[in-house]
Parts: sequence; C-alpha cells; structure tokens
Amino acid sequence: AQRVTQPEKLLSVFKGAPVELKCNYSYSGSPELFWYVQYSRQRLQLLLRHISRESIKGFTADLNKGETSFHLKKPFAQEEDSAMYYCALSVNTDKLIFGTGTRLQVFP
Amino acid sequence: EAGVVQSPRYKIIEKKQPVAFWCNPISGHNTLYWYLQNLGQGPELLIRYENEEAVDDSQLPKDRFSAERLKGVDSTLKIQPAELGDSAVYLCASSPDRGAYNEQFFGPGTRLTVL
Repeated sequence: AQRVTQPEKLLSVFKGAPVELKCNYSYSGSPELFWYVQYSRQRLQLLLRHISRESIKGFTADLNKGETSFHLKKPFAQEEDSAMYYCALSVNTDKLIFGTGTRLQVFP
Repeated sequence: EAGVVQSPRYKIIEKKQPVAFWCNPISGHNTLYWYLQNLGQGPELLIRYENEEAVDDSQLPKDRFSAERLKGVDSTLKIQPAELGDSAVYLCASSPDRGAYNEQFFGPGTRLTVL
C-alpha cells in the first residue's frame, strides 16, 4: 500500500539552527515526491519536488530510495520558515498521497 | 492572476442537512481535484476531474457525496445528508494538466462544521 509517514507532529528550533523534517514513504513503483507548505493564514503551496533537484528558500530534499526517505533540510532556520509542512507522494503520476504534516516552529 | 477560488469559506449546518461547496479553478487548468482534510491530517483525494470527466472518484463516498464539473470549468461538491463526521476542511486544487510534474494549486478551503 502507498503511504507517507511524517513521524514528527511538531518540530521546534531556534533561529539559525539546522532543520530536518523527516518523511518516509512506502511505494512499490518509481516514486515522485514533493514537499508542500502552508504558512499561517495562507493556502497550501508547493515548496519543492525531488525531480527538479532545486533549492527553494534554502530548503533541499534528497530522495533516498534505499531508506525510502525524502527528508527536508535547511542549514539555518529563519522565523519566517514557521509553517506546516506536508510531504507528498505521487502515485501513477496522477494522485498525491499526503503525510500528516509537521508543524515547524522557529523561535527568535 | 487569480488563484483557485472557493466558496463559502465557512459553513455551519445541522446534521442531516444538505451542503454544497463551489470551486473555480485557475483559468486554463484542465485538472481539478477535491480533497478532504480532517483535523491533524493531510489532504486526502476525494475526486479528480480531467476537464468535465471524473477520472478518479474511488475515494468519494457515493452514498452521500456527489460532484460535478459542468463545462469543464467550475465544480460543485455536495453532501446530502451531512453527518457529524463530515466536519472537516474541503480543499479544491487545480493543475494545468495531469502528471506528477505539474504543481497543484490549492484554494483556501471551505471549513465545514456539522452540529
């Protein structure tokens, strides 16, 4: 069965500290993975997708097929990074399966 | 460019009443999605449209939920009758075309409370 697991509901760090939001997936096919973010009072939006191998707002995520993980990382967290982060898996190139989300709090 | 528009933003009804949600996708986006988001959970797909055709409605509880996308633009999601467990946020999203590489653009959602 296809599944996305985000083990942490809440992650709290101080400004300037490194951040890693964990995401593990279960899928027998070739995975396409995404990170979506929802800032306070804003709508859900795409942060990055693994196929683009991009860095957005200082965030990166590497697909590790051996560990079936797609962790989101940033070396130095900023207060404006505080938000809800969802990892998502694309199934059959059409359907997105979302994890339960991790709330990131960055304290000053 | 206007984003995905949803209305109403909030709706409170009593159980057994009907309710409808409306979505206007981004102009030119052929693919439209309805998601259900329960408290503390990620969005779960209810139905996906390619133009006016529902191509994936396997997760839609068809005994009480229905949806339509006339003319392949706006879409309406209906619940009749609503149950207490239907209290959640209903999200609409659109993308230019099908495919994993296409970003999904989400609306603000409709928060439904069933009393």
